[in-house]
Amino acid sequence: IVMTQSPDSLAVSLGERATINCKSSQTILYNSNNNNYLAWYQQKPGQPPKLLISWASTRESGVPDRFSGSGSGTDFTLTISSLQAEDVAVYYCQQYLSSPQITFGQGTRLEI
Amino acid sequence: DVQLVESGGGLIQPGGSLRLSCTVSGFTVSDIYMTWVRQAPGKGLEWVSTLYSVGSTHYADSVKGRFTISRDISQNTLFLQMDNLRTEDTAVYYCASCSGDSCYSAYWGQGTLVTVSS
Repeated sequence: IVMTQSPDSLAVSLGERATINCKSSQTILYNSNNNNYLAWYQQKPGQPPKLLISWASTRESGVPDRFSGSGSGTDFTLTISSLQAEDVAVYYCQQYLSSPQITFGQGTRLEI
Repeated sequence: DVQLVESGGGLIQPGGSLRLSCTVSGFTVSDIYMTWVRQAPGKGLEWVSTLYSVGSTHYADSVKGRFTISRDISQNTLFLQMDNLRTEDTAVYYCASCSGDSCYSAYWGQGTLVTVSS
């Protein structure tokens, strides 16, 4: 399953909304349980990825509520409602429907 | 607290071998699916290999036949044996734990750099 993110890079003013898109080459909605097998990660320089969201829209514990995930099937979105300086990072989507053969998007660089 | 600590990276010539270790604390390495993900310099994330709790192993096509994933329960450690290394294997290698049988990862190591160069 190929994951394609858009845009590749994005500049947003502090306090404004940031939107990152992720499209899968085939559906990652599993009909048997109606779950979308999609995660979002944040990666800052020199650090491992940090899990933000799983199941397309379930925020991890401790992740600020300005981060939200949406979408279903093949089209997904990560939204940061009010950009903070500490949100500067590269963001990746990942599908895990075809686990263990997980695949990641190419990443979106978010800048101020 | 859960902690994953990788070691074993370094500079190696093409065709050489290296073994990476990922020492785990906070859970038992055999109870959870464990995975290796790599990131070439300035590039994105690429899945390398996964070891299921039942012992089955899975590899990306790019490393199949050259890399071997394993674990030692007594050391609570995950390994990645890398043989016949190529320049394109140069990357930071991360170990990570999967969440149940769905391999998204809340826990990652800090990564270890493997540089394959003559």
